[in-house]
Amino acid sequence: GEDVEQSLFLSVREGDSSVINCTYTDSSSTYLYWYKQEPGAGLQLLTYIFSNMDMKQDQRLTVLLNKKDKHLSLRIADTQTGDSAIYFCAEYDNGGYQKVTFGTGTKLQVIP
Amino acid sequence: GAVVSQHPSRVICKSGTSVKIECRSLDFQATTMFWYRQFPKQSLMLMATSNEGSKATYEQGVEKDKFLINHASLTLSTLTVTSAHPEDSSFYICSARGRDRRPYNSPLHFGNGTRLTVT
Repeated sequence: GEDVEQSLFLSVREGDSSVINCTYTDSSSTYLYWYKQEPGAGLQLLTYIFSNMDMKQDQRLTVLLNKKDKHLSLRIADTQTGDSAIYFCAEYDNGGYQKVTFGTGTKLQVIP
Repeated sequence: GAVVSQHPSRVICKSGTSVKIECRSLDFQATTMFWYRQFPKQSLMLMATSNEGSKATYEQGVEKDKFLINHASLTLSTLTVTSAHPEDSSFYICSARGRDRRPYNSPLHFGNGTRLTVT
């Protein structure tokens, strides 16, 4: 089945850039997503990228996709304390029940 | 934007009792709803997928008799944890997808989750 991996923890200083990495195994993924989860809350979609794109930028967020290596990254510029949360990457299965497979989640800690 | 309301947000129950969690799509018709379970410091585990008017499809290892899912209308799905035990304590999150199946829109709209504690 599909497998999506992330590093568990990242700590950065406020104002620095954060880079969260993700690897996946399903070569037929059509879309890849980044979700943010704050404590005790559900998931909030941050951004997504289509599999035929290499890069997408949305304000402070930049997503890079290396389809050959099945590697996805999320860069947050000028990281703020409000960015502290768990970040999940997810890949979308376009067949079957069209379910989304989530990564293990990366906890981002922003130090003031 | 699309809103999914999940209730209750937190529930504490005694071992052996049953608990019902509701998931409502407030401003769109949810043709498909997903139920996830999240263990502490872990990712989301898909429990089941339900399509309106049909039986839910459960993921491998999930007991369908223990986790009853009903998706009777296009705006409501319920998850009932029957005869709950302490090991069922977890964070349960629902998500919903509307009729627009284009995945470049948000594929899933999430509820805020239910923290279940079984004593």
